[in-house]
Order: sequence, then C-alpha cells, then structure tokens
Amino acid sequence: AQTVTQSQPEMSVQEAETVTLSCTYDTSESDYYLFWYKQPPSRQMILVIRQEAYKQQNATENRFSVNFQKAAKSFSLKISDSQLGDAAMYFCAYWAVMGSQGNLIFGKGTKLSVKP
Amino acid sequence: EPEVTQTPSHQVTQMGQEVILRCVPISNHLYFYWYRQILGQKVEFLVSFYNNEISEKSEIFDDQFSVERPDGSNFTLKIRSTKLEDSAMYFCASRNTRQSHGELFFGEGSRLTVL
Repeated sequence: AQTVTQSQPEMSVQEAETVTLSCTYDTSESDYYLFWYKQPPSRQMILVIRQEAYKQQNATENRFSVNFQKAAKSFSLKISDSQLGDAAMYFCAYWAVMGSQGNLIFGKGTKLSVKP
Repeated sequence: EPEVTQTPSHQVTQMGQEVILRCVPISNHLYFYWYRQILGQKVEFLVSFYNNEISEKSEIFDDQFSVERPDGSNFTLKIRSTKLEDSAMYFCASRNTRQSHGELFFGEGSRLTVL
C-alpha cells in the first residue's frame, strides 16, 4: 500500500525568507503523480503544485517549487520569498495512475507559520 | 471562480442519529469524492463516485455510509447511525476529466461532532 509521510508537524519562516517542507512516500508503482495542497485556516484545500513521476524536471509555480527525488521517494516543497498569506496547513499527496478512478493519499500535513 | 460548496459547516448530533452532509460540486465536473479528517490525523479517502455509481471506496466506508447524487447537482454523504468515532471534518471534492489526475477541487468541509 502507498503511504505518504510528512515528518514536520509545524514549521515557521520569516516573511520574505525561504522555507522547505519535507515529504517522503512509499510505492511500488512507477507511474504516479505527487501534489502539494494548501489549506488556509477555515478555507478549502487548494492545489499548489503537481509533479508527474515520469518527468525528471522539477515542477515550479511562481514562488513554489519542488525537489523531486524519485529514487529516494522524496518530494519536498520550497516556498521562496514567503508571504503572510502562505501561512496554512500544507499537505503532500500521492495519486496512482493505474487502477480505478483513483484517490489521493495524503500525509498528515505541516502547519506553516509566517512571521512578519 | 467556480467552487465546491458544502453544508452544513458544522453539525452536532447525538450518537445513533442519521446525518446527511451535502455538497454541490463544480457544475461540469464528472468525478466526486468524500474524504474525512479526524482531528490531528491524516485526510482519508472515503469514496469516489462517477457516472452515478460508486467507483471506489475505502474500508472506512462501511454499510453505515451511503452516497447519492439525487438531482444532478447535489452530492450527499449519509451516515445512517452515527458513532462517536465518526466525529471528523468531512471534505467533498470534485474533478473534471479522467486526465486531470489528482487535481481535485475541495469544499471547505463539514465538521461533524457526535456526542
């Protein structure tokens, strides 16, 4: 069974600084997707960034980028130039391509605080 | 921007009572999901729904749970006889096409408290 592990329950970053959130996963599949979802307080989860496992190039989305290490099964999120609005719960998630309609497997989340 | 809406935002119920959580997915989406998150634990998959039937369900989704899309817009989760351990945040999500792997649009969640 696939599992997703986020070893940092909480992280803190100074505004304008850079922070990296860690995620590791376990799977025997070769084709899958990895995601970072953000959940601000009392708001819905929104997709931050997505990585296809077959792509070697790390995904980037403005200030958000990932470091995808397929052999190590590691998928970290880097937030550059942190802003107060980045404060949220961040979930790493895995999606298997094969199978039925699929479902997301989430980590426990990392709560990010941004200090002004 | 279209979004997934859920009602109620918070429901308190007595153990053994039936609860219905409602969701309105994004209108042109085809795949619908329910997830739940017990306080302090992972977000867990419950069920996926496509073409008016359940396409996948987890071990959590036992006979006490059911889903329905009664009118083409609402997507409901019913818990027939609630238990204390059903207390959780329940998230509805929807997805557009088969190619949109993992790109789910989530609602804000319904917090269920079972006393």
